[in-house]
Amino acid sequence: DAKTTQPTSMDCAEGRAANLPCNHSTISGNEYVYWYRQIHSQGPQYIIHGLKNNETNEMASLIITEDRKSSTLILPHATLRDTAVYYCIVRVATGNQFYFGTGTSLTVIP
Amino acid sequence: DTEVTQTPKHLVMGMTNKKSLKCEQHMGHRAMYWYKQKAKKPPELMFVYSYEKLSINESVPSRFSPECPNSSLLNLHLHALQPEDSALYLCASSPAPAGTSGRAYEQYFGPGTRLTVT
Repeated sequence: DAKTTQPTSMDCAEGRAANLPCNHSTISGNEYVYWYRQIHSQGPQYIIHGLKNNETNEMASLIITEDRKSSTLILPHATLRDTAVYYCIVRVATGNQFYFGTGTSLTVIP
Repeated sequence: DTEVTQTPKHLVMGMTNKKSLKCEQHMGHRAMYWYKQKAKKPPELMFVYSYEKLSINESVPSRFSPECPNSSLLNLHLHALQPEDSALYLCASSPAPAGTSGRAYEQYFGPGTRLTVT
């Protein structure tokens, strides 16, 4: 039921911005885009979510294209602790379910 | 308190055993979830409880039996498991079942229980 496509893996230099893309071309008008990350063997950690507008919080920024068919998670200054698997999830506002896609394994390189 | 706790952290059980996993949250959340995660795979939704009632069962085998005794607790009872059921079992909660206001709420995940079936 996953509705998202992400690259399998990415590298990013420490201190640089990490830009993680996600394709959700079948997204519907009432579906939110969520981003979570999972550091090895821990529970997933919420990062950010959005519906139409770009969003920013203390962890990251979320850029959603105007047609809502794709989005990009931006970690502005990646650190070694940002090494994790990042999941982009599409979720219906009226449902409880998260269906995780395969995620992107981000490695931050010193 | 924004924590979801799960016990035990690790569990080893034989195929004839009966065991239970426990999950607890004290954030006043009224939706709780069980996920299963195999190694190097994403979490897979198993069950959803909304206001202590089972609202979603993702065709999970009956050897997994969920229970929500109150709004803070979620159990997963295990019986006659197979070795392929070995996985990380994650519990999560969210402030309210989405749909009451149209707003979508984030889920808070626990650290998981690492289950090994021998």
